Amino acid sequence: GENVEQHPSTLSVQEGDSAVIKCTYSDSASNYFPWYKQELGKGPQLIIDIRSNVGEKKDQRIAVTLNKTAKHFSLHITETQPEDSAVYFCAAINQAGTALIFGKGTTLSVSS
Amino acid sequence: NAGVMQNPRHLVRRRGQEARLRCSPMKGHSHVYWYRQLPEEGLKFMVYLQKENIIDESGMPKERFSAEFPKEGPSILRIQQVVRGDSAAYFCASSPLGQADQPQHFGDGTRLSIL
Repeated sequence: GENVEQHPSTLSVQEGDSAVIKCTYSDSASNYFPWYKQELGKGPQLIIDIRSNVGEKKDQRIAVTLNKTAKHFSLHITETQPEDSAVYFCAAINQAGTALIFGKGTTLSVSS
Repeated sequence: NAGVMQNPRHLVRRRGQEARLRCSPMKGHSHVYWYRQLPEEGLKFMVYLQKENIIDESGMPKERFSAEFPKEGPSILRIQQVVRGDSAAYFCASSPLGQADQPQHFGDGTRLSIL
């Protein structure tokens, strides 16, 4: 069935270091891959997304890369700050094209 | 511009009662998605609605759960005869266009607790 695998489940880094979160998806028809940040008690907030016609996208300290052949995509956060600490979710469109399938999340902790 | 508004933020029900969760999409958005999140899990799709229409309910349990998005007013997710396993955070998202490859904006959820 449709599935999105996300790794690692937890990630601890020092302030200023880079953080990388990786996801793989099963449905080769997926063409849209958003990343969400969720803080405690809040809803997921879209931080960056990428479509299948692009291999990489950057927005300040955040970048996402996509490898359609291997069916995986990654989130890169550079120069991490304590306020980056949160749970990050990757997602891909479901087969029907009607909704998102989410990974199980990565808890990122940035210590100063 | 107000974001997606969900209420109540917290809801406590006893087993067998009914739970009603409300979602007002962002202004100009006519497409609403409901997701459920269990502790330390990702979000699971439940149902996708347009105004007055259910487009995809493949993720919603066939019994006890229903959803609507009337012409006027918020979208409602209704859970009848709640059981302990219904305890979760329920999130609503909205988008201006009816394609999942368009950004979905989420509310802050309703945390449902079943006693």
